[in-house]
Amino acid sequence: GENVEQHPSTLSVQEGDSAVIKCTYSDSASNYFPWYKQELGKGPQLIIDIRSNVGEKKDQRIAVTLNKTAKHFSLHITETQPEDSAVYFCAASSRGNNRLAFGKGNQVVVIP
Amino acid sequence: NAGVTQTPKFQVLKTGQSMTLQCAQDMNHNSMYWYRQDPGMGLRLIYYSASEGTTDKGEVPNGYNVSRLNKREFSLRLESAAPSQTSVYFCASSLAGGEYEQYFGPGTRLTVT
Repeated sequence: GENVEQHPSTLSVQEGDSAVIKCTYSDSASNYFPWYKQELGKGPQLIIDIRSNVGEKKDQRIAVTLNKTAKHFSLHITETQPEDSAVYFCAASSRGNNRLAFGKGNQVVVIP
Repeated sequence: NAGVTQTPKFQVLKTGQSMTLQCAQDMNHNSMYWYRQDPGMGLRLIYYSASEGTTDKGEVPNGYNVSRLNKREFSLRLESAAPSQTSVYFCASSLAGGEYEQYFGPGTRLTVT
């Protein structure tokens, strides 16, 4: 099955700087790559996703890039703010697959 | 819309006790999931139901059973709780499988002593 790995496990950034989290996946058939944000005490929530026919997608301060050849995708957060502090999960799935394979999560800490 | 609701929010069990975690969604979603979250382990899939009437094992199904009661409700049962099942349990739903956004409930924090 699909194996998704995330690096680094913890990332500390100064407020206003950019944060980048990278994920790698193993199954070349994977074609859907979402990112979830989990705030303390809450369930994860989708923040952005990308499909394999697109190389980059942006939504205000967040963006996701996909490199199918290298089998990795990254989350970019610009102009970080304290409310960006959370755990971020990447995931992958393939067409017809009923489940998502999640990475282990990254703790992002934004230092005011 | 309430989205995905879970009950209870907290539970303490003694080893060997049984309990059922309840989950319901009001978004007319076909697929529902149960995950457990442990420190450093991310989200691990216990069971899922791709559609009403079907259930399948995930990564860590041992010690659990599930019931897809109807399209709205998907329950998780621990028949004989063990300390290793101490965790935070999340229910999620999606329109139709892995290529659609999953909506998560608020979680149930379970402690087994």
